[in-house]
Amino acid sequence: GQQLNQSPQSMFIQEGEDVSMNCTSSSIFNTWLWYKQDPGEGPVLLIALYKAGELTSNGRLTAQFGITRKDSFLNISASIPSDVGIYFCAGHYTGGSEKLVFGKGTKLTVNP
Amino acid sequence: DAGITQSPRHKVTETGTPVTLRCHQTENHRYMYWYRQDPGHGLRLIHYSYGVKDTDKGEVSDGYSVSRSKTEDFLLTLESATSSQTSVYFCAVTMADTQYFGPGTRLTVL
Repeated sequence: GQQLNQSPQSMFIQEGEDVSMNCTSSSIFNTWLWYKQDPGEGPVLLIALYKAGELTSNGRLTAQFGITRKDSFLNISASIPSDVGIYFCAGHYTGGSEKLVFGKGTKLTVNP
Repeated sequence: DAGITQSPRHKVTETGTPVTLRCHQTENHRYMYWYRQDPGHGLRLIHYSYGVKDTDKGEVSDGYSVSRSKTEDFLLTLESATSSQTSVYFCAVTMADTQYFGPGTRLTVL
């Protein structure tokens, strides 16, 4: 099946630092989604991207839909302790109908 | 908020017993999904539904069945639970080309 390669698997940073993570695929994707999951809860949608080249911000978060349609990145600026969690990328690939493909997640730890 | 609730939120059961998890939504979403989440595997699709009585398999459907007799409820059944089905189960719905997740059910099979 389709797979997404998400990197890095984990990050340990100091409060105030910027963070960058990305996802790549072997297939062309029609949408890219970024989720955050806190312990014991379901993933929460952060940003949705629908067009190649699209750059979208949500507060300190910025995500981009790659021009090749095979990648996406998420940046978090000036990290704070509540940014701790697992971040997932996901997307719909061409011909994949309504099913999403997920990356395996990036676990972010922020040291105060 | 996509109006999704899951029940139960936690369950401990024994190998060989049947288990049913319920996903309930209040906003008339057409598409509903069941995922399981395990360390090292991320989220994996078990089954999904594209309407009442319309369901299809995901990538890890063996050992699971689903039913959707009305729009608001999507049931996941483990006919005979095994220890390998210990996991966290999430329900999701599609809204505006994105998926929104419920709070999850933590299932432990002893």
